[in-house]
Amino acid sequence: GAVVSQHPSWVICKSGTSVKIECRSLDFQATTMFWYRQFPKQSLMLMATSNEGSKATYEQGVEKDKFLINHASLTLSTLTVTSAHPEDSSFYICSVPHQGANEKLFFGSGTQLSVL
Amino acid sequence: SQQGEEDPQALSIQEGENATMNCSYKTSINNLQWYRQNSGRGLVHLILIRSNEREKHSGRLRVTLDTSKKSSSLLITASRAADTASYFCATVNRGSTLGRLYFGRGTQLTVWP
Repeated sequence: GAVVSQHPSWVICKSGTSVKIECRSLDFQATTMFWYRQFPKQSLMLMATSNEGSKATYEQGVEKDKFLINHASLTLSTLTVTSAHPEDSSFYICSVPHQGANEKLFFGSGTQLSVL
Repeated sequence: SQQGEEDPQALSIQEGENATMNCSYKTSINNLQWYRQNSGRGLVHLILIRSNEREKHSGRLRVTLDTSKKSSSLLITASRAADTASYFCATVNRGSTLGRLYFGRGTQLTVWP
């Protein structure tokens, strides 16, 4: 069964609205989660590292006020795309490290965001 | 944050043939991993090879790692139509944050029945 649950799977919204994406670790607690963004036929680009109990760490060039991350508990991280615009349309994927080891990641199924 | 580069970018083969994808990276690594992604879906971990390993097998998958050339290859033997997907290599760099991966651009594999 799925280890990481991400939803919604897809969302269509009007320009200017905010969209929240949830990522849940189902099988184990995760003090760290990662948020990636993927454009069509492109690679995954790390946006930020979500840290439980502290502020997220953002990659260079990623606007922290635009992409709000809240790691509310040891099993839940949320990414909110604020005041979304068409250029924010993309595939967003979260991932959870395997039981805290520097090994493989478990990925959510992704969220396709389309901003009209 | 992108680190690896895969080639070819696209590969099209017949069922039963072998598929080989290559990946190059730039810095020292702890391990290198290969992932598979079906269109519009999340990624599935396939295999991990550590920096002190040279070859690893898992079912029909064979991964090699050459740290002197900073390259890796993924071989899928006896391919099936269900293997059609994008394949990404990703590295865990030495000294990097726990669980932080750097992904290559990916190879789109199409296997024709």
